[in-house]
Amino acid sequence: SYELTQPLSVSVALGQTARITCGGNNIGSKNVHWYQQKPGQAPVLVIYRDSNRPSGIPERFSGSNSGNTATLTISRAQAGDEADYYCQVWDSSTAVVFGGGTKLTVL
Amino acid sequence: EVQLVESGGGLVQPGGSLRLSCAASGFTFSSYWMSWVRQAPGKGLEWVANIKQDGSEKYYVDSVKGRFTISRDNAKNSLYLQMNSLRAEDTAVYYCAREARDFDDAFDIWGQGTMVTVSS
Repeated sequence: SYELTQPLSVSVALGQTARITCGGNNIGSKNVHWYQQKPGQAPVLVIYRDSNRPSGIPERFSGSNSGNTATLTISRAQAGDEADYYCQVWDSSTAVVFGGGTKLTVL
Repeated sequence: EVQLVESGGGLVQPGGSLRLSCAASGFTFSSYWMSWVRQAPGKGLEWVANIKQDGSEKYYVDSVKGRFTISRDNAKNSLYLQMNSLRAEDTAVYYCAREARDFDDAFDIWGQGTMVTVSS
């Protein structure tokens, strides 16, 4: 079965750039989606198809995907960006796969 | 407003059954694949099942195959999850989510979730 690996936590200073990685075998050949989840709330789609932002998502959120690693980048990090972030792909053998999630802390 | 609202969660004993519902509004429900995704307390997201627009195709995660059944009623704009033979490890918040074809099937709309607790 296909697996996605995320760091448990990432910290970033206020106003700096945070990068959250998502590792998977040849993940660059898949479409990666990213979700933000704040405590007690449902997930929100922030990036789809590697690097595309849905309407209403700030330009500070961007994504990339190549080789065995996809990356969510949050520029000019704000206190309101503190949340759990999940990557997700579709796999032919496992259907939907989520990464384990990364807790982003803004210092 | 595009919205999904889940209901039907609660406390159930191991081995028991529960039926979750998800009411959709603000979009053409019958045009979308729909999924159930769950999240155990303090844990990550886990996809449970999905269903094609007309209900002709259904897929499940291995851990619920034979116990859970996903269904839909397009006339009522509703999605369902029938859960039988429930186990403690099924305890989670259950979300219904819309699969957006234009977004390469990313989950673009989520409900607020309904809590299922399996305990004696």
